[in-house]
Amino acid sequence: SYELTQPLSVSVAPGQTATITCDGDNLGGKHVHWSQQKPGQAPVLIIYRDNIRPSGIPERFSGSNSGNTATLTITRAHAGDEGDYYCQVWISATAVFGGGTKLTVL
Amino acid sequence: QVHLVESGGQLVKPGGSLRVSCEASGFTFSDYYMSWIRQAPGKGLEWISHISESSTNIFYADSVKGRFTVSRDNAKNSLYLQMNSLRAEDTAVYFCVRLDIVTTALDFWGQGTLVTVSS
Repeated sequence: SYELTQPLSVSVAPGQTATITCDGDNLGGKHVHWSQQKPGQAPVLIIYRDNIRPSGIPERFSGSNSGNTATLTITRAHAGDEGDYYCQVWISATAVFGGGTKLTVL
Repeated sequence: QVHLVESGGQLVKPGGSLRVSCEASGFTFSDYYMSWIRQAPGKGLEWISHISESSTNIFYADSVKGRFTVSRDNAKNSLYLQMNSLRAEDTAVYFCVRLDIVTTALDFWGQGTLVTVSS
């Protein structure tokens, strides 16, 4: 079965840039979506089709996807960005999620 | 705006059954695929199932195939998940999620309903 691998945790200082990776076999040939889940809340879609932001998502969030790695970049990080981030792709009509990355801003 | 409200989660014994529901508003429900995704306590997201606009196409994860049944009632703007032969490992928050089949994005999530399977 297809697997997406994310780092368990990423830390970033306030105001700096956070980078969260998502690895999968030939991932660059697929469309990657990213969701953010803050503690006690439902996930929210923040990037779809590799690099498109839904309405209302700040420009500080961006995505890229090439080779075997998709990357979510969060610039000017602040405490409100803390939470879990999940990448996701579709494989044969099945949604596959990465294990999630906990972002800490400190 | 898009609003998805799940209901029906509760404590159920192993081997038991439960139906959870999702009521949608703020969009034309019959124009969209819908999904169920669950999250076990302290764990990540697991896709369970999705259903096409007219219920013609339905897909399940192997972990629930043969035990869970997804359905929808477009007249009532509602999505359902019938869960049978429940196991302890089915304990999770169950999210109702809209699926945009054009972008393939799971673009709006409900707040979830907690199903606990325990004796």
